[in-house]
Amino acid sequence: AVQLVESGGGLVQPKESLKISCAASGFTFSNAAMYWVRQAPGKGLEWVARIRTKPNNYATYYADSVKGRFTISRDDSKSMVYLQMDNLKTEDTAMYYCTEAAILWGQGTLVTVSS
Amino acid sequence: DVVLTQTPVSLSVTLGDQASISCRSSQSLEYSDGYTYLEWYLQKPGQSPQLLIYEVSNRFSGVPDRFIGSGSGTDFTLKISRVEPEDLGVYYCFQATHDPYTFGAGTKLELK
Repeated sequence: AVQLVESGGGLVQPKESLKISCAASGFTFSNAAMYWVRQAPGKGLEWVARIRTKPNNYATYYADSVKGRFTISRDDSKSMVYLQMDNLKTEDTAMYYCTEAAILWGQGTLVTVSS
Repeated sequence: DVVLTQTPVSLSVTLGDQASISCRSSQSLEYSDGYTYLEWYLQKPGQSPQLLIYEVSNRFSGVPDRFIGSGSGTDFTLKISRVEPEDLGVYYCFQATHDPYTFGAGTKLELK
């Protein structure tokens, strides 16, 4: 089946780190640009990061709100995309969605940053 | 960064009515390749967003023809003719022309 499945969310304290993952299946992952999009509780969608494909040198781009703290990466051999989140802040609390170029979406993984 | 301003914030409709949502961009969304990367999404309660329209006016696979996207440059519109119960939820516009990519704040479509 064509799907994206996120994992790794949980409760962390401010300033801590967390790495979330997304497993892709059912499509040619290595040809797909991948994004992370988040949604704080009761709020709208916020684009977080994207990573391009190997022919595009795996170029990465970030929202200003996470630049310097978050790192997106991918492993084409495993059809996985990751989001390393460092120096987490309470305002990073959100459902994090993995998406294939904003076309195919996962169900999300919840990250809660709280002391 | 590109700011997308969606109006109205909420829209109350009767089933069978037409609904119209506006999305205005702080700068032109036409990319250097000539395409305009403005998309529309619907997020139903408790669900992930789903793509409705890509590149301003192209309906994604399986999207009914009552969804019509239009516009150019900085001014875009999503029209829903004959609103049905499954159309209720929050609509977002999204631009993938300029990094960082950005979403509009959303428009909630609800029953009157």
